[in-house]
Amino acid sequence: QAGLTQPPSVSKGLRQTATLTCIGNNNNVGDQGAGWLQQHQGRPPKLLSYRNNNRPSGISERFSASRSGNTASLTITGLQPEDEADYYCSAWDISLNDWLFGGGTKLTVL
Amino acid sequence: EVQLVESGGGLVQPGGSLRLSCAASGFTFSSYAMKWVRQVPGKGLEWISYISSNSGSIVYSDSVRGRFTISRDNAKNSLYLQMNSLRAEDTALYYCARDLFDSWGQGTLVTVSS
Repeated sequence: QAGLTQPPSVSKGLRQTATLTCIGNNNNVGDQGAGWLQQHQGRPPKLLSYRNNNRPSGISERFSASRSGNTASLTITGLQPEDEADYYCSAWDISLNDWLFGGGTKLTVL
Repeated sequence: EVQLVESGGGLVQPGGSLRLSCAASGFTFSSYAMKWVRQVPGKGLEWISYISSNSGSIVYSDSVRGRFTISRDNAKNSLYLQMNSLRAEDTALYYCARDLFDSWGQGTLVTVSS
């Protein structure tokens, strides 16, 4: 099945830990790994990690990415109000010759 | 500071054409591959095109292949997207992004409507 699957929404409390998932297949996440982007309302996306757990400079260590098989995960520790945003995973698909994005997960910090 | 600034969006009738531009600054543009990504307001992200640093490799998504053309001018630090045969479903905010999606512009809105 083509595409990256993310849960539409996740809700967690302040200072808790949220783990967002992204399910792909052997041709994308399982082969190339995944990246993660954060998007606040009305703003362009911001890269949080690329190729699994490479964090660009300036990104908080509270954000960590990992991969197990065809599933990529983004873990956010010590949730803050500013973490409330949409989160997208992305991966190159070697079979489709396409960059794929997941449908996005809306994270609510309670 | 890395900056990407898109321009060229607007209202166009179905079947019409538009040319988007992306002006890059703050980095060595000629060393980086670039991408175009679009987003329908309130919806998710969709990658539509990729161009390598020297224009030697170009890839399109199925949704725009044959209608859109990506190009770049490294001397002008600029990326372009020529959009022809526009459809209502092409209505979106169009972003240019650096290779690893590590830098994005603010986007330019394209509306296809009669």
